[in-house]
Amino acid sequence: GDSVTQMEGPVTLSEEAFLTINCTYTATGYPSLFWYVQYPGEGLQLLLKATKADDKGSNKGFEATYRKETTSFHLEKGSVQVSDSAVYFCALSDSTYSNYQLIWGAGTKLIIKP
Amino acid sequence: DAGITQSPRHKVTETGTPVTLRCHQTENHRYMYWYRQDPGHGLRLIHYSYGVKDTDKGEVSDGYSVSRSKTEDFLLTLESATSSQTSVYFCAISASTGVRGLGEAFFGQGTRLTVV
Repeated sequence: GDSVTQMEGPVTLSEEAFLTINCTYTATGYPSLFWYVQYPGEGLQLLLKATKADDKGSNKGFEATYRKETTSFHLEKGSVQVSDSAVYFCALSDSTYSNYQLIWGAGTKLIIKP
Repeated sequence: DAGITQSPRHKVTETGTPVTLRCHQTENHRYMYWYRQDPGHGLRLIHYSYGVKDTDKGEVSDGYSVSRSKTEDFLLTLESATSSQTSVYFCAISASTGVRGLGEAFFGQGTRLTVV
C-alpha cells in the first residue's frame, strides 16, 4: 500500500541555518503531495502542496519540489527562525489507492535555537 | 480559516464512562476524519466518513464508534473510556478533487481528553 517516510526528529538547528526535512513516498497511482505544520498546542495546517511532477510548492519561505523519479518531496528553507519551531508532517493523496484518506508520515519535530 | 469546530476542547472523564466528542463543519466537505495524536505515534486514523451515514474504520478503531447523521456533524464516541484513550483528538475535513484524489485537509483545534 501507499506510505510516506520522513526523517526522524527532533531536528535541532541554529537560527538562520538551512533546513532540509526529507520525505519519500510510495504510491500506487499519481499522488498529490502535501506538507503540514503543527505549532505547539494547535491543529495541523497546510504549509504547501504540489499536484504533479516537477511542481514546486512554496509558502512562508519554505519550498518543496515534487520529484517523481526519486519519489521524494523534501522540505527546505534557506534561513530558519525560532518561530519555525514546530512539527512538520508530509502527506499524500492517491486516488487509485484510496479516495478517502490522506496517508501521513510520522512527523518531524523541528527545534530552532536562537 | 476553514470552518471546523471541535467540542469540547478539554475534557477529564472517569474510566468506564462513555464520552462523545463533536466535530462541526461549515464547509460542506464530504470527507471527515477523526485522528488521535500521541507522543511517538504521529497521527493515527480512528474512523472516517465519506458521506452522511457512510463511515469506515481506521487503523485504531477499537473502543470507538462514530456517527454522521448530517453533512456538518461527525461524532466520535468512546463507548467505555479507558486510560489508554487519554490523547489529543483531531477532527479533519477534506474535499475530493476528482481524479487526483483528495485536496488538502483542514483540521480542528483538537480536543485534549484525559481519562482518570
